[in-house]
Amino acid sequence: TQLLEQSPQFLSIQEGENLTVYCNSSSVFSSLQWYRQEPGEGPVLLVTVVTGGEVKKLKRLTFQFGDARKDSSLHITAAQPGDTGLYLCAGGNTGNQFYFGTGTSLTVIP
Amino acid sequence: EPEVTQTPSHQVTQMGQEVILRCVPISNHLYFYWYRQILGQKVEFLVSFYNNEISEKSEIFDDQFSVERPDGSNFTLKIRSTKLEDSAMYFCASSEVGTSRDTQYFGPGTRLTVL
Repeated sequence: TQLLEQSPQFLSIQEGENLTVYCNSSSVFSSLQWYRQEPGEGPVLLVTVVTGGEVKKLKRLTFQFGDARKDSSLHITAAQPGDTGLYLCAGGNTGNQFYFGTGTSLTVIP
Repeated sequence: EPEVTQTPSHQVTQMGQEVILRCVPISNHLYFYWYRQILGQKVEFLVSFYNNEISEKSEIFDDQFSVERPDGSNFTLKIRSTKLEDSAMYFCASSEVGTSRDTQYFGPGTRLTVL
């Protein structure tokens, strides 16, 4: 089993602040995906990164895959209340099995 | 926009009973998956399915679980004799291609409660 640890587990910030969520593992992954999950719904894919060192931007969200493809980060600039949710990272191996992280629950206070 | 659908949204069953969770993947997708999420815990992979057979399964997917594509649209997860610890959200997902770089689209989930 390949473990992905996310930190922090819970994060509560004021609207307009910046934040970074981390996803770390001792295993190498061929890809790393970030999802957002709303209560009572399934995870929705935000981004996939596949190359070590890769950086992708999605509006105010910046995703980075570590050089060794063992870790990733999600940075949100000027957080909005609409960013509130559970953020999940998931690592993919050479097959099609994904290992999900422990999740970061983000609350943005207006 | 095409989406994965799941039924029922909530299933309550007695311990020891059999349940069948149903999923309709996106129509042109070839790879199908089941995941579960116990309340407060992480999403866990159960099984992947391609070309009418299991391609990968996790340690969780033991003999009490089975999957089937009974027709051209449905993908089912059967739990033969439910246990209290089977209570969880069960998510179905599908993808066009079965690589780790492909996007898996998740359904809204079925909440299974075993009493």
